[in-house]
Amino acid sequence: GEDVEQSLFLSVREGDSSVINCTYTDSSSTYLYWYKQEPGAGLQLLTYIFSNMDMKQDQRLTVLLNKKDKHLSLRIADTQTGDSAIYFCAATYNNAGNMLTFGGGTRLMVKP
Amino acid sequence: DTEVTQTPKHLVMGMTNKKSLKCEQHMGHRAMYWYKQKAKKPPELMFVYSYEKLSINESVPSRFSPECPNSSLLNLHLHALQPEDSALYLCASSSAGGGSPLHFGNGTRLTVT
Repeated sequence: GEDVEQSLFLSVREGDSSVINCTYTDSSSTYLYWYKQEPGAGLQLLTYIFSNMDMKQDQRLTVLLNKKDKHLSLRIADTQTGDSAIYFCAATYNNAGNMLTFGGGTRLMVKP
Repeated sequence: DTEVTQTPKHLVMGMTNKKSLKCEQHMGHRAMYWYKQKAKKPPELMFVYSYEKLSINESVPSRFSPECPNSSLLNLHLHALQPEDSALYLCASSSAGGGSPLHFGNGTRLTVT
């Protein structure tokens, strides 16, 4: 089955860029997602990318996909204190419909 | 604001109680999901409904009983729970097509005493 891995923790200063990384094992993964979870809240869909794309940009967010290395990253430009949260990478693949395999989550701490 | 609404936000119940969690969406989605999330862990899939029919049960104990009365509503009936069932229960919905992103509610924080 699919395995999705993320680093546990990232700390940045306000105004810097943040890069959160994710690796996955199943090369047939077709959609890859980034979700944000603030304390006490549910998961907020930030962005997603189809496996035939290399990059997707949405305002301050840039997703890069390296299919060869099975590596996904989320770059947040001009990181703000409100970006402090847990970020989950998730993957789905052809024969699993919309079932998601989540990474363990990366806690982003933004220091003023 | 999330477009998937879950009630109640918090629930405390004893091991002999019967309670229900409710979820509602008005996005026209035909797939709905229940996830369980323990602290500092990613969500774990429990059930999937597709076109109001149960399509996936991830070997969830029978003390959790899902119900999908119509395309907008999803319930999770709880009975004889254990303290280790305390968690955040998340509902999600999506279009039924493959790859459609899941939209999550804010969850119900359940504590079993």
